[in-house]
Order: sequence, then structure tokens, then C-alpha cells
Amino acid sequence: EDQVTQSPEALRLQEGESSSLNCSYTVSGLRGLFWYRQDPGKGPEFLFTLYSAGEEKEKERLKATLTKKESFLHITAPKPEDSATYLCAVHGTGNQFYFGTGTSLTVIP
Amino acid sequence: DGGITQSPKYLFRKEGQNVTLSCEQNLNHDAMYWYRQDPGQGLRLIYYSQIVNDFQKGDIAEGYSVSREKKESFPLTVTSAQKNPTAFYLCASSPVQGIGLNEKLFFGSGTQLSVL
Repeated sequence: EDQVTQSPEALRLQEGESSSLNCSYTVSGLRGLFWYRQDPGKGPEFLFTLYSAGEEKEKERLKATLTKKESFLHITAPKPEDSATYLCAVHGTGNQFYFGTGTSLTVIP
Repeated sequence: DGGITQSPKYLFRKEGQNVTLSCEQNLNHDAMYWYRQDPGQGLRLIYYSQIVNDFQKGDIAEGYSVSREKKESFPLTVTSAQKNPTAFYLCASSPVQGIGLNEKLFFGSGTQLSVL
């Protein structure tokens, strides 16, 4: 069965303190791994799609990487406005997307 | 602007009552989904539909029903059989599956359902 595990559950960083979020997955035939940002009381906002091991994508202070078993979301010099829950999801050969439980990031000024 | 509109933003259900959550999209996407989000849990799939007049159960379909009479609309009914309906409900859509490199989900802004 397709499965996604995210760690840590929560992360508190000082402004400017870089770190990484982890997404471990098992999937039969990866069609895509997705990162989303979710603010409280709102729907998830798309960040990145990764398709194959070795692929990397960047957007402002965020960089997503992918291996055959996990993905990392690297946050460089975070700002308070980066505080949110970050969700990881995979899409396998079935018709469903499987989500992790998310990492709640708090960036302290 | 293209997007997904969910309404209402907040909804309250009385015991024994059925309530319907609305989801409309103008992205011309074929596939639509309903997810339930509870604190500390990942998004769980309730129902999904890939074409009009067809839909499939997800992992937690019991106590819910859907219809897909139009491509743009995918309403979710929370029936009285759903004993623990309090949650944040998210509607999503994606382009036709199998096309390849653009199958990401686009989400609405969500409906918070609470029990009175």
C-alpha cells in the first residue's frame, strides 16, 4: 500500500536558521511527489512536483529534492512568513494521492 | 480567475441532519476529490470522480454521498450516518489522469463542519 511519513511533526526555528523537512514514502510506480503549504483554516497551496530520483526544484527560500525513498524540503534562512504546515503527497499507479500528516513549521523573529 | 470554490466556509449540523457541502471548479478539470482533514492526521480521501456521472469510494466513504452531474460541480453530502462529522473538508481537482506531467491537485479553501 502507498504510504507517506513526514518528520518532524513540528519544527521551531529562529529567523535565519536553515533546516530540512523529511518525507519518506513507499509507492508502487511513482507518478509524482508533491509538496504543499497549508496555512491555518485554508486549503493547501501547491509548491513543487518531483518526478524522478535526483530531481531538484527551488522557489525563493525553499528547495525540494527527491531520492528513491524520500524527499527533503530545505528551508534556507527562513522568515516568519514561512510559518505554516508543509504537506507531502505521492501519486502512484493507482488513482489516489496519499498525504503525510504534515510538518508544522514555526519561524520565530 | 480560475479556481475551486467551496461553500459555505463554516457549517453546523444538528443531530440526525444531512448537510451538503458545495464544490465548484472552473479549471475544466475532469477529476475531482473530497478529502477530510482532522487535527494531527493527514488528508483522507472520501470520494473521487474522474468523469461526469461516475465516482468511486475513497478510504473513508461511509456516512458520505456525492454526485457528479456536471463537470464543474461535485457536492458532498454528510449524512446522519456519519457519527463524527466534525472536521475540515477540502475539495480538489486535477486534470485528466494518465496525461502525465500536470496531475497535481488544486484545492479549494475548505469548509469547517461542526456538530451542534
